[in-house]
Amino acid sequence: QQQVKQSPQSLIVQKGGISIINCAYENTAFDYFPWYQQFPGKGPALLIAIRPDVSEKKEGRFTISFNKSAKQFSLHIMDSQPGDSATYFCAARGAGANNLFFGTGTRLTVIP
Amino acid sequence: KAGVTQTPRYLIKTRGQQVTLSCSPISGHRSVSWYQQTPGQGLQFLFEYFSETQRNKGNFPGRFSGRQFSNSRSEMNVSTLELGDSALYLCASSRGQGDGYTFGSGTRLTVV
Repeated sequence: QQQVKQSPQSLIVQKGGISIINCAYENTAFDYFPWYQQFPGKGPALLIAIRPDVSEKKEGRFTISFNKSAKQFSLHIMDSQPGDSATYFCAARGAGANNLFFGTGTRLTVIP
Repeated sequence: KAGVTQTPRYLIKTRGQQVTLSCSPISGHRSVSWYQQTPGQGLQFLFEYFSETQRNKGNFPGRFSGRQFSNSRSEMNVSTLELGDSALYLCASSRGQGDGYTFGSGTRLTVV
């Protein structure tokens, strides 16, 4: 059973537009929600992460919105650039654990 | 600062053989986790080692094993390889529980 559900599977956005990727979870014991970016031939790289006591976190053009009651969180990429074209994964981790449960990934393509 | 180093980058093995993959974590990082990445199953947690002890294990058969040395370097071994073991194997290191991961670029294993 997929612990973290991610959508959409793929996304095409115009340069300068906003990319939005959504994730949902069921396990209320999760207490850490990171987003990773992966380019072909590379391992995932941590982009931004949030804990459930905060509803929003922003770092540069990347923002996580977190809705604890709905058990959903999303990544917004503002002013999307062709260099943002990559696969994005959301993930979740339980309190007291170090292993991550990953979503299935979203392949983002930003067209010039 | 050197990142997480995984060797080799690519491997081709025959069904029934065994394979050993190596991971050198970032200096000062004592936790090493291993993940399997496939197009069908996505990123799945294999196991985590901390101070030479396996601290957590995912839902993989006993053919998958690992160990960690006193210098925090880690190896994972897969015995009796099956075609379905073809995947990108990723190693991630962190200072300890609760810290964010840094992933290596992975070892691409192909079983023929």
